[in-house]
Amino acid sequence: GQNIDQPTEMTATEGAIVQINCTYQTSGFNGLFWYQQHAGEAPTFLSYNVLDGLEEKGRFSSFLSRSKGYSYLLLKELQMKDSASYLCAVRRNNAGNMLTFGGGTRLMVKP
Amino acid sequence: NAGVMQNPRHLVRRRGQEARLRCSPMKGHSHVYWYRQLPEEGLKFMVYLQKENIIDESGMPKERFSAEFPKEGPSILRIQQVVRGDSAAYFCASSPRGYEQYFGPGTRLTVT
Repeated sequence: GQNIDQPTEMTATEGAIVQINCTYQTSGFNGLFWYQQHAGEAPTFLSYNVLDGLEEKGRFSSFLSRSKGYSYLLLKELQMKDSASYLCAVRRNNAGNMLTFGGGTRLMVKP
Repeated sequence: NAGVMQNPRHLVRRRGQEARLRCSPMKGHSHVYWYRQLPEEGLKFMVYLQKENIIDESGMPKERFSAEFPKEGPSILRIQQVVRGDSAAYFCASSPRGYEQYFGPGTRLTVT
């Protein structure tokens, strides 16, 4: 089976930096995705990591360590619109490419 | 290029009725995935389809739920004899080659 853990909620201040962690246990690991989901809306793709290291894309960066089963999403220069749920999802190479999601981290950005 | 389309966006059904949820993938995408999201929870995989084939339905409940992706037309998720526990948001995602998945806006099903 698979186990994907991420904090349920986090709070941060506008303009600050926040790191959202995700740990996973799975067989046949074939990539880790981060999605952003605003309340009542569809998840939108943020990043994809399959190799160890940091992927940077504007204010968002995602890191992966396959040996530790660990990833984080780093958000810089937080804006109020970043208040959303952030979903960590793992893909397995023997699972038809479907994604297994963690429960999501609800981030609240305060002024 | 239009995104993934789902309809209806909101659906209300009484217990025992049937619910039909439609998903039109992005143009050129031949992989379709259905996920269910209960309130305050993460997304749970239900089924993965390619044109005319069900590839993986390991997340589908054994009874009352079925899915198809015909050669022509949208993918359909069908729930027969709905119960209150079926109330959830149902998201469809499509992919060109099983790589990154693009999600539709979802259908929010309410069973009264």
